[in-house]
Amino acid sequence: DQQVKQNSPSLSVQEGRISILNCDYTNSMFDYFLWYKKYPAEGPTFLISISSIKDKNEDGRFTVFLNKSAKHLSLHIVPSQPGDSAVYFCAASVWTGGFKTIFGAGTRLFVKA
Amino acid sequence: NAGVTQTPKFRVLKTGQSMTLLCAQDMNHEYMYWYRQDPGMGLRLIHYSVGEGTTAKGEVPDGYNVSRLKKQNFLLGLESAAPSQTSVYFCASSRLGGSYNEQFFGPGTRLTVL
Repeated sequence: DQQVKQNSPSLSVQEGRISILNCDYTNSMFDYFLWYKKYPAEGPTFLISISSIKDKNEDGRFTVFLNKSAKHLSLHIVPSQPGDSAVYFCAASVWTGGFKTIFGAGTRLFVKA
Repeated sequence: NAGVTQTPKFRVLKTGQSMTLLCAQDMNHEYMYWYRQDPGMGLRLIHYSVGEGTTAKGEVPDGYNVSRLKKQNFLLGLESAAPSQTSVYFCASSRLGGSYNEQFFGPGTRLTVL
């Protein structure tokens, strides 16, 4: 039972355009949602997070939107750059006496120059 | 600061062999985790630790054991490796008291079991 789903295995975008990565979840108890970025042969690195009580969080070129009624979040990258080409993992955390974090399967983003 | 380091980077085992993966962090983090990453499956939690001397099971603990004898180290053991344990293993750590539990990951260990 996948509680966090990223239904698009890959996405290709032209440099300078917007990249939109999507994520769906099933557990309404999640407290925080996070996006991690992963380059080949490296570990994931934290990118941006959003609390379940907010609907938007912005950090430079990266914005995360949360739609709780639809149990859906998305990561927008504007403008996209070739260096953004990586695998992006959506993750959701819930406090149960310790944080439990569930990761999605990832979306591979290709930004073409 | 080295952050989170993992040893070894690559390993090939035969079925039935044993090995230990070492994770070390120099950020004084309380929490440490072991994940495995398989194609199309994302990162799945194997075991985790909320402090020195404590460990707990994650989503996929079978076939693995862990120990946290020192705060900075978290060891993952495979007593009798199976081909199903072929995967990339990531260690991570996070600090106590963070609001959203940002985890810091090591570079990974690619394990192949023949």
